[in-house]
Amino acid sequence: GAVVSQHPSRVICKSGTSVKIECRSLDFQATTMFWYRQFPKKSLMLMATSNEGSKATYEQGVEKDKFLINHASLTLSTLTVTSAHPEDSSFYICSAGAPTSGSLKQFFGPGTRLTVL
Amino acid sequence: KNEVEQSPQNLTAQEGEFITINCSYSVGISALHWLQQHPGGGIVSLFMLSSGKKKHGRLIATINIQEKHSSLHITASHPRDSAVYICAVGNTGNQFYFGTGTSLTVIP
Repeated sequence: GAVVSQHPSRVICKSGTSVKIECRSLDFQATTMFWYRQFPKKSLMLMATSNEGSKATYEQGVEKDKFLINHASLTLSTLTVTSAHPEDSSFYICSAGAPTSGSLKQFFGPGTRLTVL
Repeated sequence: KNEVEQSPQNLTAQEGEFITINCSYSVGISALHWLQQHPGGGIVSLFMLSSGKKKHGRLIATINIQEKHSSLHITASHPRDSAVYICAVGNTGNQFYFGTGTSLTVIP
């Protein structure tokens, strides 16, 4: 099946620094990529949807200036957490969508654990 | 009410037992995913299905579109199966809804 990778898998940073997380579709072209955040003891929540070559669509309550998303190519999307703070510590997961027979198949990345000290 | 409901929320089983995790959803879907999340947090996609049944090793996933219900079965469970299992459904509008997960502990 299709593979989606995320890098890094874990990152620890100091408060105030920016962290970039990469999401790559390894064997297919992803027209759409999704970024999710998992809060403790809660399920995944969609943060934003990005389409290659256009601006990301953010969900209500997600600060676009705080969580910068770039979908520069059909195989790479990046999420940059700017001026990270401890409350940004979370598990971030991307998924990549490939159109198949009129629908969009999604494949999940393994996730990135961000810890902000 | 959540669009995706999983049961049970927590499950403890003895090694070797047959395990079933259930997922019910209320939205029209294009596909349903079963995800496995290990204690370290890493997500593994186990199945993506839109009809019928899929099998991979000791794992079996079924879906009943009419009843809007899916089950994940684990045969001959092992302690390494201990993880959180998440049901996720995607609709035709590319929206995704996630269950809150089932925490499985398999005791040797």
